[in-house]
Amino acid sequence: AQSVSQHNHHVILSEAASLELGCNYSYGGTVNLFWYVQYPGQHLQLLLKYFSGDPLVKGIKGFEAEFIKSKFSFNLRKPSVQWSDTAEYFCAVMKIYGNKLVFGAGTILRVKS
Amino acid sequence: NAGVTQTPKFRILKIGQSMTLQCTQDMNHNYMYWYRQDPGMGLKLIYYSVGAGITDKGEVPNGYNVSRSTTEDFPLRLELAAPSQTSVYFCASSYHTSGEETQYFGPGTRLLVL
Repeated sequence: AQSVSQHNHHVILSEAASLELGCNYSYGGTVNLFWYVQYPGQHLQLLLKYFSGDPLVKGIKGFEAEFIKSKFSFNLRKPSVQWSDTAEYFCAVMKIYGNKLVFGAGTILRVKS
Repeated sequence: NAGVTQTPKFRILKIGQSMTLQCTQDMNHNYMYWYRQDPGMGLKLIYYSVGAGITDKGEVPNGYNVSRSTTEDFPLRLELAAPSQTSVYFCASSYHTSGEETQYFGPGTRLLVL
């Protein structure tokens, strides 16, 4: 069965620090990849997605992610975090033409002002 | 468009009670999903539907039932609530086509079973 691993459950950064959140998945076939964000008390919102093409994907609010097929990874990055980026971030994977989205356990990011 | 809406936002149930969590989408999406979110566990798929009249089990279906009589609505039924069903429930929908699909989530229902 597919699985998604997010390396850090809690990350604390100061404002302006750079962010990288790790995500690895176990499925060997072609996949669609997603990062969702959940701000405190809110529902999940799509941050960015990868279907095909350029493995460096840009999303909203200055986030980007890089798909490295050989490493089964889809790490999320942001050069300079803001206090408003405090949230929980979820990596998710779906087999292409599949219908089940498999989520990682989530990474809680706290940005200190 | 309202997107995906869920009611209620919060509910307290006693053990053994039943309830229905409502989910509606106005995006004419063919696929709909129910997830539960528990701390440190991410989201787990309970049930999904690929169209009106068609539903299937996800990863954690025990204790739940669903139906899909219309494209818009996908209610989740808890028949005999148990403390293990204390969770936050999210409904999602997507338009499934050509291998590229993005799921859009509702605001969630927080359920406490005592």
